[in-house]
Amino acid sequence: GAGVSQTPSNKVTEKGKYVELRCDPISGHTALYWYRQSLGQGPEFLIYFQGTGAADDSGLPNDRFFAVRPEGSVSTLKIQRTERGDSAVYLCASSLLRQSTSLGGDEQFFGPGTRLTVL
Amino acid sequence: GQQLNQSPQSMFIQEGEDVSMNCTSSSIFNTWLWYKQDPGEGPVLLIALYKAGELTSNGRLTAQFGITRKDSFLNISASIPSDVGIYFCAGHGTQGGSEKLVFGKGTKLTVNP
Repeated sequence: GAGVSQTPSNKVTEKGKYVELRCDPISGHTALYWYRQSLGQGPEFLIYFQGTGAADDSGLPNDRFFAVRPEGSVSTLKIQRTERGDSAVYLCASSLLRQSTSLGGDEQFFGPGTRLTVL
Repeated sequence: GQQLNQSPQSMFIQEGEDVSMNCTSSSIFNTWLWYKQDPGEGPVLLIALYKAGELTSNGRLTAQFGITRKDSFLNISASIPSDVGIYFCAGHGTQGGSEKLVFGKGTKLTVNP
């Protein structure tokens, strides 16, 4: 079946502009995650959704970043007044989150990412 | 943000050699994971470890979950050219119950044929 897809694959914008990044999770996956990966670094957590609600948004760096998942499937990460430091690869992942993670096996499947460049 | 301490940062080896990389944390995790990332792709899960002391194999890959739950290592035996890529450790499941993953900075592996 189809994996996690992200659009666009590349986005170049100017400082101060607004951008939206889209994530289509694997069908049936209830949890959706956003990570940001800077050059030479590992992915850093931004936010995750369980269904339509944000269960943990502690990784969002500031109030310019916002994410929604209105119908519990597709999610959009929104960045206002972009800055050059926002340039990174934005990764989305989804998982079939069970009630108890002690059961294990709640693998997060990652999309290919959106490379954002802010000039 | 929080990241795990992963070493080495990079490795250059000959095809057929064995490889070892490790990861440490100041925090306890309930699950340790090892991912591989190829250029232009997202990370792909290689091995997941769920119990302290657990030793798990996946083909030529072997990983262990440290007994203190603060460290893990990954071994690759008899490396081949397609092993080239960046390997990340990740911790999952801390106090507070968030499902987020905390990643190391990665080990870049180069295999010379």
